[in-house]
Amino acid sequence: GAGVSQSPSNKVTEKGKDVELRCDPISGHTALYWYRQRLGQGLEFLIYFQGNSAPDKSGLPSDRFSAERTGESVSTLTIQRTQQEDSAVYLCASSRGPWGGYTFGSGTRLTVV
Amino acid sequence: KQEVTQIPAALSVPEGENLVLNCSFTDSAIYNLQWFRQDPGKGLTSLLLIQSSQREQTSGRLNASLDKSSGRSTLYIAASQPGDSATYLCAVGFGANNLFFGTGTRLTVIP
Repeated sequence: GAGVSQSPSNKVTEKGKDVELRCDPISGHTALYWYRQRLGQGLEFLIYFQGNSAPDKSGLPSDRFSAERTGESVSTLTIQRTQQEDSAVYLCASSRGPWGGYTFGSGTRLTVV
Repeated sequence: KQEVTQIPAALSVPEGENLVLNCSFTDSAIYNLQWFRQDPGKGLTSLLLIQSSQREQTSGRLNASLDKSSGRSTLYIAASQPGDSATYLCAVGFGANNLFFGTGTRLTVIP
């Protein structure tokens, strides 16, 4: 597609439930990133995929968070047993490679009640 | 630890005024620098990307400069419009998957 697509755009879930967020990067972009932005705060790096290399998971805040990406296609970010502090906008970005400029999706706003 | 600082945190200007947003970083060994705008409740829109070998980039009314030696970048907006109101983020790439974001400057252009 022309841009980075994220779904859903909004998600309200009950505490303790699992959620799955989806990111569809720009075709041909080998690098994919997930960030989190809490209300009024800056972007927090979560995870990075580059081609078929092992992902950099150094930003994942706990083992409740995981992400997958098959090849250079869609990625899913899964949050298990959601907590209220997980409420944030989850942003996905892709780039042609690790040195390229980032293109962001419009994000998924997650609210845990 | 790399740090990216943006000053001012907030700025209000009357429509038509030219303005400059500042970004400073602590490590001059950068690969690239990117300016984004973020509208309330929305994702980030890329404005300009400057590679480390470049000194400036221009797009329409926007001009971004890069001075690696002093650890600074500026985003110049000419003839500001109310539609320019947004938060402007500076992001500095220090390597593969090593993009550090500033906390942004919230710009309000008053009609």
